[in-house]
Formats: sequence, C-alpha cells, structure tokens
Amino acid sequence: DGGITQSPKYLFRKEGQNVTLSCEQNLNHDAMYWYRQDPGQGLRLIYYSQIVNDFQKGDIAEGYSVSREKKESFPLTVTSAQKNPTAFYLCASTPHANYGYTFGSGTRLTVV
Amino acid sequence: QKEVEQNSGPLSVPEGAIASLNCTYSDRVSQSFFWYRQYSGKSPELIMSIYSNGDKEDGRFTAQLNKASQYVSLLIRDSQPSDSATYLCAVWTGANNLFFGTGTRLTVIP
Repeated sequence: DGGITQSPKYLFRKEGQNVTLSCEQNLNHDAMYWYRQDPGQGLRLIYYSQIVNDFQKGDIAEGYSVSREKKESFPLTVTSAQKNPTAFYLCASTPHANYGYTFGSGTRLTVV
Repeated sequence: QKEVEQNSGPLSVPEGAIASLNCTYSDRVSQSFFWYRQYSGKSPELIMSIYSNGDKEDGRFTAQLNKASQYVSLLIRDSQPSDSATYLCAVWTGANNLFFGTGTRLTVIP
C-alpha cells in the first residue's frame, strides 16, 4: 500500500542533543513538508522540498535542518539550537499543493 | 491578518444535529480549499476538497465555497460522536505550500 511513514512515533531528547526524525513516502510525490504542531497554534511550516537536492525554509526553520537526497525521503534534524523542541511533528507530501497533502502519522518529541 | 481564520470553538452539537464549521481567508487569488479532520493525538486526514463556488457533497459532509465573500464552510449532517475532532481548514493560494487555520474543535454530545 502506498503511504507516508514517520518514525519513531515517540522520541525523547536530552538537553544539547541533536535528533533526527524520519519521513519516507512511496507515493511518488515530488513535494514534501515538515510541520510542527503545538496546542492551540495550528500547523507551522518548518521546511519544504519541491525536488530532490533542493529545499526551502518555512516560517520557523531556526534550529532545524533537513536533507532531500532521495525523492522518497525527507528527514528532519532537530538541533540543540532549537530551544523549545517539545511538539508534535508532522511530515506531509503531495504531487502538487493544489491537490492537498497526505500526512504521516506524526512523531511526538519530548525534551527530558 | 492571518491567511486563514477559523473559530477555535469548542463547538458542541447534539448527536443527530447539523454541525457547521466556518473558515475565512484573506488572499483573493486562493484557488483550492481543503478540510482536514484531526482526532486527538493523531495526524490530519483529508476529508473534503473544493475548487469552485457552490456546494460539494460527500456522504454526510458538504463543503460550501463562496469566493466573493472569501469563506468556505463544512456542514456535517446527522452528527455522530465519532465526528468529535478538530477540523482544519487549508487554502492553496498558488504558493508552494498550503496555509492552515488553527482548527475548530467539535464535540458531538450523545
């Protein structure tokens, strides 16, 4: 079955650590996105990529980094520079934004 | 001014009633409109898309679009407790990404 897979489902980060969230899709979608969701604040765009080896910053890119070496994969690294990383992270993909997104199941990141 | 605005609710309706969710947007060139349902702790799921003025029906769901007034709404007929969720409105303006509202929390009371 085609879909978009995020892993892990839950992730705990110690202070000063970098952590990487995985996002893989087998839908053959060109565009992929990372959003952060905090209670009462809706979805905020972190990074997006329209094609392999190219990506753009969203509204809250500081403290995050991404890569797009393969069409299927768009991992997100939460660096130690991100001071408040506890949130629900959502990856999405689409052949074109006009069609809407398909979301992965999300990763819940907690700082301990 | 936010690109997409929704009443955050919570909106409570009795089981079997019609739930009406509203969304307004600021960019007049917006072309595509989406409603996502998000259960607590889960990811958003696309339930309706609408591209032209008027109504679009899918089962118990009806999306209504009025581009002149810049609003899009979602009606849920015969509301069920399983419809209790947060509903996100999303708009495509021609940019590389969608713009999302903050969502309206719906509770259907048995």
